Amino acid sequence: EAQVTQNPRYLITVTGKKLTVTCSQNMNHEYMSWYRQDPGLGLRQIYYSMNVEVTDKGDVPEGYKVSRKEKRNFPLILESPSPNQTSLYFCASSLRGQKNNEQFFGPGTRLTVL
Amino acid sequence: AQSVTQLGSHVSVSEGALVLLRCNYSSSVPPYLFWYVQYPNQGLQLLLKYTSAATLVKGINGFEAEFKKSETSFHLTKPSAHMSDAAEYFCALAGGTSYGKLTFGQGTILTVHP
Repeated sequence: EAQVTQNPRYLITVTGKKLTVTCSQNMNHEYMSWYRQDPGLGLRQIYYSMNVEVTDKGDVPEGYKVSRKEKRNFPLILESPSPNQTSLYFCASSLRGQKNNEQFFGPGTRLTVL
Repeated sequence: AQSVTQLGSHVSVSEGALVLLRCNYSSSVPPYLFWYVQYPNQGLQLLLKYTSAATLVKGINGFEAEFKKSETSFHLTKPSAHMSDAAEYFCALAGGTSYGKLTFGQGTILTVHP
């Protein structure tokens, strides 16, 4: 089944404790990105990757890191989480080539930083 | 700069009534527009997309949307609401110089009453 998976689905942590949220897709998509969803703000892009070893900042990159060592994986790293990073996070992937390509979303990771 | 505005953060309808969710956009380049639906505790699922081939776009689950350039709108409609349509709906815009990035509206929560 074609899908985007994220782990963990739920995470409660404390300020300053490094964490990683994994994202994996099995559709051989070149493009992957991370969004955060906050009430009343919709989804905002954090980082994106056009292909392996190619990443760039989105609209709200502060406090986050990413890497793209393999085509299927695109982990989101919070080196020192803070309470304002409490949010619902989504990973998405799509084929590269056209701007109207559908993006496929993972199920989301709900993060709480105390 | 691109932006998407969804009018009404909450819409409530009776089962069998017309569903109308409003979306207006701003874009300096020809837009690609999408409607996504998010069911509770799930990721986003594509309902439909506008790619300039036709101004009236039909999607899944009986939804459709009409692109009106003169009004910069892409409103989502369904003739007869079903209880299973209760979800949060997002209008999104792709385009501009940042390939693949989706700019989302704030979201509209649809409630369907029996």
